[in-house]
Amino acid sequence: ETGVTQTPRHLVMGMTNKKSLKCEQHLGHNAMYWYKQSAKKPLELMFVYSLEERVENNSVPSRFSPECPNSSHLFLHLHTLQPEDSALYLCASSQDGTSNEQFFGPGTRLTVL
Amino acid sequence: KNEVEQSPQNLTAQEGEFITINCSYSVGISALHWLQQHPGGGIVSLFMLSSGKKKHGRLIATINIQEKHSSLHITASHPRDSAVYICAADNNNDMRFGAGTRLTVKP
Repeated sequence: ETGVTQTPRHLVMGMTNKKSLKCEQHLGHNAMYWYKQSAKKPLELMFVYSLEERVENNSVPSRFSPECPNSSHLFLHLHTLQPEDSALYLCASSQDGTSNEQFFGPGTRLTVL
Repeated sequence: KNEVEQSPQNLTAQEGEFITINCSYSVGISALHWLQQHPGGGIVSLFMLSSGKKKHGRLIATINIQEKHSSLHITASHPRDSAVYICAADNNNDMRFGAGTRLTVKP
């Protein structure tokens, strides 16, 4: 595997379910990001991790819970989501937590029923 | 008003045409990114620049820091260039994105 991978690619869940999105980067980077892309809205930065520490949390509701166990893996735990949370969730990584080129995963298309 | 404005929102061109997409931003930046998003969602970073001009193949990106404006140019456009092009203002990884420009290049 190379680059940034995300699983699952598609996810349908009910509002009472708990699920997790997984991101893995094989680039030796030290920073990882979660983005949300809703229909007809710009990309929104959700969380930034640098050296496994959260350095940015853009007022994201607590029903989204990130976890970064090591510099290669990033999770987004989901619970009691709302239909308006349906979106494309993109993971990215960069060399470090300053301005660097970011490498994106293919995204997880989430539908909340 | 959004912090990052792109124009046009949609652009249709004939193969071979020279294309320009514009981005204006109102926030302080450490860098400006141009991204390409194909149908299906995958995003590729095209350029990251903080001054001047960069060129990669048929793509050229310029930035004017004083005017807070950047442009992405595509020379000799091709149908495979059809995608959404996104500008992002980066302030030490606090990223603010434009709404994107949907480009369609017809053969």
